[in-house]
Amino acid sequence: AQTVTQSQPEMSVQEAETVTLSCTYDTSESDYYLFWYKQPPSRQMILVIRQEAYKQQNATENRFSVNFQKAAKSFSLKISDSQLGDAAMYFCAYRSGDNTDKLIFGTGTRLQVFP
Amino acid sequence: DTEVTQTPKHLVMGMTNKKSLKCEQHMGHRAMYWYKQKAKKPPELMFVYSYEKLSINESVPSRFSPECPNSSLLNLHLHALQPEDSALYLCASSQSRDSREETQYFGPGTRLLVL
Repeated sequence: AQTVTQSQPEMSVQEAETVTLSCTYDTSESDYYLFWYKQPPSRQMILVIRQEAYKQQNATENRFSVNFQKAAKSFSLKISDSQLGDAAMYFCAYRSGDNTDKLIFGTGTRLQVFP
Repeated sequence: DTEVTQTPKHLVMGMTNKKSLKCEQHMGHRAMYWYKQKAKKPPELMFVYSYEKLSINESVPSRFSPECPNSSLLNLHLHALQPEDSALYLCASSQSRDSREETQYFGPGTRLLVL
């Protein structure tokens, strides 16, 4: 069975600085997808970034980028130029490539941003 | 447009009440999901509908009854709930189970309190 681990329950960063959130996963599959979702206090889950395992190039979305290390089964999220609005719970999630519908979530990392 | 809407935003109900949660999307997505999320925990999958048919039921108690009247609408009927069912209920949708563009987009959720 696949598992997703987020070992940092809480992180903090100064506004305008850079922070990296860690995520590791365990799978025997070669075809899968990885996601970072953000859940602010409003509780809506917002997709931040997505990575296909078959793509070697790391995904980027504006200030958000990932460091995808397939061999190490690591999928960290880097937030550059942190903003107050980035404060949220961040969930790493895994989905199998065999078209199953199940997203497997990590336990989340709460990010605080200080002015 | 990646909008999933949910109504109501908040719901308080007694253990003998019957109520329904509603989810709507107009992105042409053919897969829709119900999740339950307790405080400080990741979402837990409850049900998946694919092409308006129930494809996954994660052993959810029968006091939760999903319904998919059409490809844009997903309901969750609630009856005889317990206080431990109090949680945030999230709806999500994705293009389809067969598409490699299989990203789930979430609604803002319904906060349910069972008294």
